[in-house]
Formats: sequence, structure tokens, C-alpha cells
Amino acid sequence: EEHLLESGGGSVQPGGSLRLSCAASGFTFSDYAMNWVRQAPGKGLEWVSTITNGGGTTYYADSVRGRFIISRDNSKDTLFLQMSSLTAEDTAVYYCAKRGANSWSHFDYWGQGTLVTVSS
Amino acid sequence: QSVLTQPPSASGTPGQRVTISCSGSSSNIGTNTVNWYQQLPGTTPKVLIYRNDQRPSGVTDRFSGSKSGTSASLAISGLQSEDEADYYCAGWDDSLNGVVFGGGTKLTVL
Repeated sequence: EEHLLESGGGSVQPGGSLRLSCAASGFTFSDYAMNWVRQAPGKGLEWVSTITNGGGTTYYADSVRGRFIISRDNSKDTLFLQMSSLTAEDTAVYYCAKRGANSWSHFDYWGQGTLVTVSS
Repeated sequence: QSVLTQPPSASGTPGQRVTISCSGSSSNIGTNTVNWYQQLPGTTPKVLIYRNDQRPSGVTDRFSGSKSGTSASLAISGLQSEDEADYYCAGWDDSLNGVVFGGGTKLTVL
């Protein structure tokens, strides 16, 4: 069974950096595009970034482009999100999600999420 | 302001049929498929409907999806108390070159 486990969340000051990881298991990681989706406290879902299965193509939301970098290590079945120049607006639970077979917005498995809090 | 527009709330009584709308544009719903997600209180989102109207295995047939033009809908029949949740539509936007979510609809079972 597919399983995704995020880690690396925590508290950081405005302007700081943080690196999130997502360990995948139960499926052939290198066959699937992967995503980060976030949810600010009490708010809705916001797509953050997508990376293709081989890592050669990445997509970003306008709100994070130039500050966040998505990457993956297929030899270790792990997805990453390097976040820099963080602001209070980046405070959220960050979920990694596996792309389903049917479309770029089809996320068929989600991790439990990791909380990032940006505060002074 | 979300690219996909959903009503912020919906409600119904047990047994009723409720519909949640999702309005987009030619660059998203008009040309790409729509997926729906359910997020029960305090839990991780899960896919409810994919490719406009397909249900993953394990999802009850009380949930159904449809799409017409630049709008999509999620229908829930035989409403039950355990259907109380937040519901989100999502699709790919060709202009933004990314995934867009609706703002979410909070469903209350009265």
C-alpha cells in the first residue's frame, strides 16, 4: 500500500529557510510525478509545486516561484521542498501527494502533512 | 480569490441530495479534467472523484461528478452525517501552468 511520510517542518523566523522531505513507499516512486500542496490554518488547499517522475520538469505556484525549489531523489524514494525567504503567509501544513494516473490535478495518495510556522 | 469558484457552504438534511458547484474558465475546467477532494474534519484530503465523473474504488456511489463547459458539479445523494466535510474541486490551468483548487465548500448535515 502506498505511503507518504513528510518531515522537516517546524518553526522558523521570517526570511529563514527550511527543507521538507517526503519519504515514499509501497509504489515505484520513479514512475510518478509528485506534488506539494499546503493548507494554511483554517484555510483551503493551495497547490505549491509539481515535479515530473524523472525530475526533469518542475512547476510552481506564483506565490512560491523563485523562493521554493522542488526536487527528488529516486534512488532514495524521497521528495524534497527547499523553502527560502519564508514569510508569515507560508505558514501552513505541507502535504506531499502522489500524482494519480489520470491528470496533473489528480492526487491519489497524500501524506499526513508537516506543519511549517513562520513567526518571529 | 481562488481561480475555481465554489460556494463557501452547503447544507442538507439526512437523506437529501446536495450539489456543490465549481466554476472555472476555458483555461482550466473548459479544457482539462476536474477532480474532487473530501477533507473530513482533522484529516488528510482524499480523492472522491477523478477525471470529472470517476469514483476510486471504495468511494460510495452516493457521490457523483459531472462537467459541462467551464463548470463542474459534485452531487451527494442520500446525505449522511458522516458526509460533513470540506469539499474541493481541482484542475490544471493551461494559462497558469499549474494546478488550481477551488476555495472549498463546507458541507453541513442538519
